[in-house]
Amino acid sequence: AQSVTQPDIHITVSEGASLELRCNYSYGATPYLFWYVQSPGQGLQLLLKYFSGDTLVQGIKGFEAEFKRSQSSFNLRKPSVHWSDAAEYFCAVGGRYGNKLVFGAGTILRVKS
Amino acid sequence: KAGVTQTPRYLIKTRGQQVTLSCSPISGHRSVSWYQQTPGQGLQFLFEYFSETQRNKGNFPGRFSGRQFSNSRSEMNVSTLELGDSALYLCASSLDTTSGATGEQFFGPGTRLTVL
Repeated sequence: AQSVTQPDIHITVSEGASLELRCNYSYGATPYLFWYVQSPGQGLQLLLKYFSGDTLVQGIKGFEAEFKRSQSSFNLRKPSVHWSDAAEYFCAVGGRYGNKLVFGAGTILRVKS
Repeated sequence: KAGVTQTPRYLIKTRGQQVTLSCSPISGHRSVSWYQQTPGQGLQFLFEYFSETQRNKGNFPGRFSGRQFSNSRSEMNVSTLELGDSALYLCASSLDTTSGATGEQFFGPGTRLTVL
């Protein structure tokens, strides 16, 4: 069965500092990996996705993620965090059979000035 | 292009009642998926409809059902509401990929259901 683990429930970083949010997945075949962001009271916005090819993917708002098959990981990074990045971040995995996503528990990012 | 819209945005019901939530996908999108978000269980997949047929189903009881119309709009229904059904219900639409694999999903703002 598919599963996603986000080990960090909360992360606090200073504005301007770098960020890395961890994501590990379990999936028996080629995973389709996603990172979404959710601001309070809002729906989910896609930051980036990995389907195949280059293992380093670029997304919106300056985010990037690296797919590492050997570690079953898809960590999200940003070189310099802005206060507006404070939100909850979800990693998700899909597969070859339709639009069904399995989400991790989410990581709440706090940005301190 | 208009985004995914969900109505109503907020709903209060009492135990035992039933509720219907509506989702209008982005124009041209034929896949609609539904998710339940709660503080305790997180985001959980309910079901997906594609071309008026249920293509995928999550692990929810039969009280949760859905349907999709020919214009791709979708509704989900929860019968005999329980307190634990209080949640944010999110709808997502997607262009279907040529391979049928998971594509980019665009989420609506959700319907906040409170069961008293």
